[in-house]
Formats: sequence, structure tokens, C-alpha cells
Amino acid sequence: DAMVIQNPRYQVTQFGKPVTLSCSQTLNHNVMYWYQQKSSQAPKLLFHYYDKDFNNEADTPDNFQSRRPNTSFCFLDIRSPGLGDAAMYLCATSRGVGGPVNEQYFGPGTRLTVT
Amino acid sequence: AQKVTQAQTEISVVEKEDVTLDCVYETRDTTYYLFWYKQPPSGELVFLIRRNSFDEQNEISGRYSWNFQKSTSSFNFTITASQVVDSAVYFCALALIQGAQKLVFGQGTRLTINP
Repeated sequence: DAMVIQNPRYQVTQFGKPVTLSCSQTLNHNVMYWYQQKSSQAPKLLFHYYDKDFNNEADTPDNFQSRRPNTSFCFLDIRSPGLGDAAMYLCATSRGVGGPVNEQYFGPGTRLTVT
Repeated sequence: AQKVTQAQTEISVVEKEDVTLDCVYETRDTTYYLFWYKQPPSGELVFLIRRNSFDEQNEISGRYSWNFQKSTSSFNFTITASQVVDSAVYFCALALIQGAQKLVFGQGTRLTINP
């Protein structure tokens, strides 16, 4: 059974047209992450939520926003996608922060194309 | 700052050969965790192993084995009797126990197992 679900798997949007990617989890983990991964590169952390606390990476563009309405769901909003935002977007979850570092569980990703 | 280096960008071997993926890390912290993830062509990162800095025991799981050596800051991964299904990109990552416990990824090694 899928534990971290991302919808859609493939998304095509137009330059400048807002787009929302969604992630849900059945693990009841309190930490959720969004990563951007471009071709042949490692995943790059955009931001994460520890419960309701939002933590933005210093180099994440303002164009990227996130919402976490409840434990299970997290959204990535790209307000005005540019061609450079075409990438795979990965959602991940983990248990807690503090104490042992727990492994992150990843979803299958959403591949975003910007035309 | 933390850094993970996977010097092998691509490796190609014939099925049934043994193959070792190298991972070297840098951190000044004494407490940290190391991870290996597998990313098959489908895109989802699959957790393989977690090791904390106080546990230098090598681990074997089926055809997979990991060699952690603090003296050389290395956490290498060996696949014995490789199979075509092992073809994927493999990422080594490090996380500190302090702070946000974010994963610092290496650049990944693309492993191709040829029949």
C-alpha cells in the first residue's frame, strides 16, 4: 500500500500559470518535506514542515510556497512557474525531529513540465 | 558545513558481478547519521539503510552490504552478484542529530547492470 502519495504524477503547466502539487501520507509522520530534483542531480530541499511549523530553505525562491492543512496533506504551490522550474518534485515524510534521525519515506514524485 | 561525495558518477557492470559504490563524507559533528537510498527509473527514492556514527558494525542484508569506516569517513555500499533490477541511481546522504536533521545528499551514482 502506498504510504506517501503524490498527485498528479505528471503535470504540464504554462509559463507563468500557477500550479499546485499535492502530497498525502498514511504514515502519520509529523515531518513533511518538499524536494526539487533536476535531471542527473541530487534532490534539493525546498522546505519542510515540523508539525505546523514551516521551515524554508534560505535559497528557496519566493515563487515557491507550501501549505499543510493537516497532518496528512501538504501542498506545493508555484506561483509563476518559469522554464527553470521544470523538474521532478518529491515529497517525503519522517517521524519527529530530535533524538535519532529517522529515515525519510519518499513519494513517487510529480514531474513538472513548463511550456 | 556537511558534505557528501560520491566520486563515481556512473558504473556499468555485467550481471552477477560484484560492485562497490563509494561514499565519503565530511562533518565536524561527532553525532550524525548516514543513509543510502536507491532511485530506480520510476523516480521514487527507496530507503536502504541508516547507520549512526557510533555504530561502525558492517551490515549485510541479502546481496547488499555496507562498510562504515569512521577513520576514513567512508560509508561504502557493495552489491554482490548484481542483477539487472539493481540498475538505479544510488544516493548516499548524511544528517546531523542537531537542528533540523536535514539530509545532505551526494551527487549520486548511476549503476547499470547489463545482462
